[in-house]
Order: sequence, then C-alpha cells, then structure tokens
Amino acid sequence: DAGVIQSPRHEVTEMGQEVTLRCKLISGHNSLFWYRQTMMRGLELLIYFNNNVPIDDSGMPEDRFSAKMPNASFSTLKIQPSEPRDSAVYFCASSRPVGGTDTQYFGPGTRLTVL
Amino acid sequence: GENVGLHLPTLSVQEGDNSIINCAYSNSASDYFIWYKQESGKGPQFIIDIRSNMDKRQGQRVTVLLNKTVKHLSLQIAATQPGDSAVYFCAENSGSARQLTFGSGTQLTVLP
Repeated sequence: DAGVIQSPRHEVTEMGQEVTLRCKLISGHNSLFWYRQTMMRGLELLIYFNNNVPIDDSGMPEDRFSAKMPNASFSTLKIQPSEPRDSAVYFCASSRPVGGTDTQYFGPGTRLTVL
Repeated sequence: GENVGLHLPTLSVQEGDNSIINCAYSNSASDYFIWYKQESGKGPQFIIDIRSNMDKRQGQRVTVLLNKTVKHLSLQIAATQPGDSAVYFCAENSGSARQLTFGSGTQLTVLP
C-alpha cells in the first residue's frame, strides 16, 4: 500500500518564481496536513483540511502561500512569488481519524531552495 | 549574522544498550500522544502511540510511558541499533482538534 506521495522531491527556483508542491494522500484518508520544517523553527503546521475543506490555515505565513484540495486524494501548496526565506523542507501528512486517535502519516517531503 | 537554530537535545548510546528519550508536554487536556522517528532526508515516521487512559504501551523493541501527573512522556528503545540513529519527536493531540503539536525533537546517536 503506497504511503503519502509528494512531488517534486527537490525544487530549486529563483526568487519571484511561482512554486507548486503536490501531495497525494493515502487511500481512504480524509485529513491532509501541510508542514514546513527548518533548522530555525522546527516543524510548523501551515494548514490542514478535513474532507477537502480547509479547517485551520492560521499557520500559513503570508498571502503568498495558498493550498487547495481539488479532490479527496490530492492537494497542492503554492507559493507565489517565492522568496529565499521560504527555503525549507515541506511535508504533507494524511490521516483517517478513528476512535479519537489521529495518527498522521508523513510523505518524504519536498526540499525547496529559493535563490 | 549569527545563525541561531533550534538546539536539539542529544543522546548518545552504545549499540546494544537501552535508550530513553524524554518529552514534556504542555496541555493537560491532551489525550493522545505519538512518537515519530525522523531519519536524515526523510519524513517523520510513526513509531508508537498511546492514549491518555493508558500509562504504558509496548511495541517491537519500543515502549512508551505516559505520566499525566507531571505531563511527561518517554520512549524506551531496547537493544539500540545503528539504524535507530535519528531525531525523535513526541507529538500531542488535544480534544477535538485535529492538529498535533510537536516537540522540538531529540537527536539519538548510536555509537558502534
């Protein structure tokens, strides 16, 4: 059974360019989380969706960041325009809350470098 | 300027010894806890979880202990192996919120 799939695995871009990160949830999962990880700030939750609906986007740093779930199994995180301080590893995770537990399963991450 | 990053606690153990990684959580309402392992260049990987109605849970070579009185969680790894070298995160989930709150992590290094 495939885990969470993210693409691309690595992205190098120039400041001002648009970046789109992609995530495919584990089949049957209905919650999706986007995180950012840096040495300075650790693992930060950006936004999460439940049944395709954004529930909490308070972690999204600026209007330059946007996330969508066009269907139940796929999500995108877009940064436009990108800035060097956006350089980080971006993870998505999915879960299927059962009986009060909510184990999130993480993808391999996308390492973003903005020059 | 000075590069000030997160100062991860570190733990070094000899191969074959037992490891204990500790975590203090902040929210007394948290009712579900997870330990994740993150190897270099990879995403966090689920290890073991525990609900607040339990104080101990065992898996394969790992045991999680929960002390709600002092809001403390620990992960014990038996017979630590080189492949256990990684950063270990605890995470807590409280009530109906779907978010997990992650700790800053502990770097475990297994010495040959």
